[in-house]
Amino acid sequence: NAGVTQTPKFQVLKTGQSMTLQCAQDMNHNSMYWYRQDPGMGLRLIYYSASEGTTDKGEVPNGYNVSRLNKREFSLRLESAAPSQTSVYFCASSEQGIDTEAFFGQGTRLTVV
Amino acid sequence: SQQGEEDPQALSIQEGENATMNCSYKTSINNLQWYRQNSGRGLVHLILIRSNEREKHSGRLRVTLDTSKKSSSLLITASRAADTASYFCATETDTGRRALTFGSGTRLQVQP
Repeated sequence: NAGVTQTPKFQVLKTGQSMTLQCAQDMNHNSMYWYRQDPGMGLRLIYYSASEGTTDKGEVPNGYNVSRLNKREFSLRLESAAPSQTSVYFCASSEQGIDTEAFFGQGTRLTVV
Repeated sequence: SQQGEEDPQALSIQEGENATMNCSYKTSINNLQWYRQNSGRGLVHLILIRSNEREKHSGRLRVTLDTSKKSSSLLITASRAADTASYFCATETDTGRRALTFGSGTRLQVQP
C-alpha cells in the first residue's frame, strides 16, 4: 500500500521556468491537498480539492494552478517559477467529511534559482 | 496567518523525561490533530481530539483540549531518542474550508 506518492522528490528550476508536481493516492480518498512548508512557517495550504471535479484556493494560491485529474491524482503547476516559490511541497489526502486524518506524501523539495 | 501557534519552538530533553508541547488557535474548531514529522519526511498523524472532548490518550501520548482558552497540549511520556522530530498541531475549523490549518511546530530533541 503506497499511500500518497509525490514526484519528483527534488527539483531545481530557473526563474521563469514551469513545472508540474504530481501526486497520486491509492486510498480511495475524496479529498486532496497541496501544502508548502517553509522554515519556521509550518505548512500553508495552497489549494485543495474536496472531491473529484472541484478545486478551491487555500491560504497561498498565487503563482500556482491545480488539476484534479481523477479521484487518484491531484497535480500542482507552477507556470512561471519565482525564487519565492523555493519550498518543500507536500501533497495530502483524506476521507471527505469532518474528523478525518490526513495522509501525507514524502514531499518535493523545490529550489528556484 | 497561522491558525495554530505552538510553544515552545524548540525543546531539548533527556531520554526518559516527559515532553510537553502547547498549541493555541484562533477560531472555533471541529477537532484538533497532532502530527509528527521526522527530518526530511512527510507528516504522520498521531492523534485527533474532537471539540467536545477534553482529554485523549494513545500509548505514551496524552492530548488535552481547552476550547474556552482555544489551546491544546501534547504530552509525550518517558521519551525516547526515536521521538526526536518536529510536532505540529492542526485544526479543522467548523465553518468554510475543511482543510487542516497547521501551526508552526515544535522541534523536539531527545538526548540519549
